[in-house]
Amino acid sequence: EVQLLESGGGLVQPGGSLRLSCAASGFTFSSYAMSWVRQAPGKGLEWVSGIRDSGGSTYYADSVKGRFTISRDNSKNTLYVQMNSLRADDTAVYYCAKDLSSATGLYFDHWGQGTLVTVSS
Amino acid sequence: DIQMTQSPSSLSASVGDRVTITCRASQGISNSLAWYQQKPGKAPKLLFYGASRLESGVPSRFSGSGSGTDYTLTISSLQPEDFATYYCQQYYGTPRTFGQGTKVEIK
Repeated sequence: EVQLLESGGGLVQPGGSLRLSCAASGFTFSSYAMSWVRQAPGKGLEWVSGIRDSGGSTYYADSVKGRFTISRDNSKNTLYVQMNSLRADDTAVYYCAKDLSSATGLYFDHWGQGTLVTVSS
Repeated sequence: DIQMTQSPSSLSASVGDRVTITCRASQGISNSLAWYQQKPGKAPKLLFYGASRLESGVPSRFSGSGSGTDYTLTISSLQPEDFATYYCQQYYGTPRTFGQGTKVEIK
């Protein structure tokens, strides 16, 4: 059974940093692209960042480009996102999502339960 | 970016009703469309990909159709467990974008 377990969320001040992690199990993590998708309170879904299976290619939404860095450790079956220069509009539940294939760009067949990031003073 | 517009934004329906949700893309997306169901406080769940291909385990009362820019999700006979918010997502262009969601509520 595929399991994705996010951690690292919490309250951070504007301008601060946070690193989220997603521990994966139940599938060959190193064979699949992964993404982060967020959902602001009461709002819809927004794709944030993606990384292909090898970690060699990364992709970002314009809204986070230059502030967020996605990475993965295939030896630990873990996906990360380092979030810097956080703003109030980054407040959201952040979901880790598994892509269908080794490259990003398709749909998401499994999602984690999400971790809440709140940016507020 | 490809804009995805869902209609209606919300609807009220009764158990047993037939429900149709529409998703319109700002340009043709060649059936590169997925549908997700999200219940309160839960992660989205994949229902369809390729516009009409049912994900394993999804009940057959759900169906997807469409082409070009216009796509629909239909629930033939609404069940209590189907009350949720539904999202479409295109994967034809980069970045992948979602519709704003359609909330299906109990009448």
